[in-house]
This record gives sequence, structure tokens and C-alpha cells, in this order.
Amino acid sequence: SAVISQKPSRDICQRGTSLTIQCQVDSQVTMMFWYRQQPGQSLTLIATANQGSEATYESGFVIDKFPISRPNLTFSTLTVSNMSPEDSSIYLCSVKGQGAYGYTFGSGTRLTVV
Amino acid sequence: GQQLNQSPQSMFIQEGEDVSMNCTSSSIFNTWLWYKQDPGEGPVLLIALYKAGELTSNGRLTAQFGITRKDSFLNISASIPSDVGIYFCAGQRFQGAQKLVFGQGTRLTINP
Repeated sequence: SAVISQKPSRDICQRGTSLTIQCQVDSQVTMMFWYRQQPGQSLTLIATANQGSEATYESGFVIDKFPISRPNLTFSTLTVSNMSPEDSSIYLCSVKGQGAYGYTFGSGTRLTVV
Repeated sequence: GQQLNQSPQSMFIQEGEDVSMNCTSSSIFNTWLWYKQDPGEGPVLLIALYKAGELTSNGRLTAQFGITRKDSFLNISASIPSDVGIYFCAGQRFQGAQKLVFGQGTRLTINP
């Protein structure tokens, strides 16, 4: 399965600022996803990062708040914009290769907004 | 968004005991996956199930794809301290669907 490097692993940010999270994969993958995991909760899909086109956002998530880039088949970024304490969560990158075994997750970015 | 109903939410057991958890849904799923998440890490895939009725093992772990395609269970036999963590079920609704739907998770705590 693919190996994912996600950066930063954690950060503490001031409210009103923005943070960009990077996801680098060691092989070309067809699908890349961004998830949010609020404290003590399950994973919620934010969006599917599409190579060469705008990301596909899930209900409740908008591009202005969570802009996503995917310039190629191995890299994507998620920006959390104009942060508030409610954005404090773990943000996870995930990729899908061939078959279900391709659903691999990065180690996550633990974000605290103060 | 849609979630799978996973139970129990938490378990407190003695080392050596067997563990069982399950996920149910009102909808049919094409694929069931079981993940484990350790603190500070992303979920790691344990078992993937593709066919209704399929029973698959991975060491001390056994999982089954329910015959109705609306449920799945995970069993862990003879638990050890490193089994501690949060277990998530996840499902893929239909062939070609790229998104996963997750259960709420089962937090497993083991008393030595």
C-alpha cells in the first residue's frame, strides 16, 4: 500500500489565521481524500481532492473555509482558513489505490486553535 | 453525514479475554473494512471484506461480512495489551463508490 507523509504533524494556531497541511504520497494514486476527526469522534469526510480540477466537497464543508489543491497524482494540500477554536481537530489525508487495500491514511495533523 | 452504527462504544476487558464488536446499517454495503487507530496516528487497515457471508482472519482477528450486506463484526481472540486502541468499521456503499462511511468507533481498554 501507499506510504503517506503528512505535514505538519501538529500545530497550535491563533484564531483568525490559516494553516496549510501537506500530503505527499510515495506513488501515484487515483483518489485522495481529506478527513476531519474531532476530539473523541469518528472520521468525517471533508472533500475528495481531484487532480487538475476543483475538489468535491461534502455537505457542510465549503471551499472558502477548506481550500484544497491537488497539482499532481502524488501531492495535495488542505488549508484551514480563518480558524476558530471549533476547528481544533485532527485532519487526515487518505488515498485509494487499487482495491480496498488501497485505502491508506496519513498519520494526521493535530490542530489546536487558541 | 451518514454513519454506520458501531457498538459497543467502549470496552474494558482483562488481558486474555476475547472481544467482539459490530457495525450495522439500514443500507446495503458493497465492502466492509475494519481499521485500528492508535493515539497520534491515522487509522490502519486490519481486514477488508468484499462478499456477503465472507469470513476473513488476520492473526487473532476475525471479521465477517453479514449475509444481508447490512452488517459486519470483528472479533479479537486472546487480547493482549497492544490491542488497546480505537477500532472503526468503514463501508463502501456500492461498486465504484470511492468514499468510505465510518462507524463511530469502539474504544478498547485492556486491564493487564
